[in-house]
Parts: sequence; C-alpha cells; structure tokens
Amino acid sequence: GAVVSQHPSRVICKSGTSVKIECRSLDFQATTMFWYRQFPKQSLMLMATSNEGSKATYEQGVEKDKFLINHASLTLSTLTVTSAHPEDSSFYICSARHIALNTEAFFGQGTRLTVV
Amino acid sequence: QKEVEQNSGPLSVPEGAIASLNCTYSDRGSQSFFWYRQYSGKSPELIMSIYSNGDKEDGRFTAQLNKASQYVSLLIRDSQPSDSATYLCAVSSSGGSYIPTFGRGTSLIVHP
Repeated sequence: GAVVSQHPSRVICKSGTSVKIECRSLDFQATTMFWYRQFPKQSLMLMATSNEGSKATYEQGVEKDKFLINHASLTLSTLTVTSAHPEDSSFYICSARHIALNTEAFFGQGTRLTVV
Repeated sequence: QKEVEQNSGPLSVPEGAIASLNCTYSDRGSQSFFWYRQYSGKSPELIMSIYSNGDKEDGRFTAQLNKASQYVSLLIRDSQPSDSATYLCAVSSSGGSYIPTFGRGTSLIVHP
C-alpha cells in the first residue's frame, strides 16, 4: 500500500521557537501534498496545498509567513511553524496524493504539537 | 462554497449490527468520494473510495453513491467494537487539482 511517514509524531516546544514537521511518501511519488490542522473533536482544516517545485497555496486565513511549507521533492514536504505560540498547539497532519492514482490521498501519522 | 455534511452522532449500534453512515455534498461537479476512518488521537485512514453511482463492496464495508441526490453512504456489516471511530466523508471535484473537502465526521460507537 501507499505509505506516508510523518515525523515527529509528538513535539513540545517553547513559545517563540520554530518547529519543523516532515512528511515523506515512502513507496510512491506524490505530486501534491496537503497539510491539515485538527483541533480536538473538530474536523480537518486544510491549511495549504503544496506541489513539488512550486510555492504552496495557502487557504484563506492561514499565515504563509508563519507556516512555511517547502516541497523539495516528489517524496518530501516540510511544514515549519515559526515563532510558535500556545494557540498553535494542535494536531498537524499531512497527506500525499499518489502520482499514479491521481485522486486518492494517503495520510501521515500526524504530529501532536504542544507549545508551552 | 463546497460543503460536505455529516451527522456528528454519536451513532451507537450493537455488535453484529449494520452501521449506516451518511454524507451529503453541495458541489454537483464532485467526482471522487472517499470514506476515512479516524481513531481518537490518530490520523485518518482511507477505507473506501467510490467514483460512480451504485454500490462498491470491500469486505464488511459497502459504499453507496447517488450523484443525483448528492448523497454517499457507508455501510458496515457485522459491526465490531474495533469499528468504533470517527468516519470522515471526503469529496473532490474532477480535474487535476484534487483538493478534497472533508465533512466533520460521524462518531460511531459499537457496543458489545
């Protein structure tokens, strides 16, 4: 099956610091990767869509300077939360669209970020 | 604005029963439909995809799509306690961008 690996699974950081989250498609090439945020008992909120080699497209209300996305290759995308604040604490999840399947997307394991 | 609606539940069914989860969507141009299962504290897992009207069966799961009614459902036969989770419906339009729109999810509880 299509495997998406997200790292780290859990991170605690101090306010004002930056945190990088990696999303890798392990056994397939991903044309597009999506980054979501999910608060407790809420649905997934799409933050941005990234395509390899181009700038990410951010959803309305998501600060591109705060949530930096780099999609350097067909198998790796990173999300950096800059100058983190406690309100950034959330569950961040990436998903990758399989280059061959074209419509189905597979999720990484998610990253639980806690900013203290 | 594209919307995907799901009853948040919880839907409670006894073990061995059929669980029926429903989803409606607003965009008539939608072409791809997905059901994801999400356990508490975990990320969603794709369990079914359906693209054409009718039924699609995979083991204990059956997805049903009716584009005219803009309705997609998921049936889980012989429900097990391990099926207890939140089920997310996702819908996307045709074309190369494929940006799925997710519903809020339905919480399913299967009690012994």
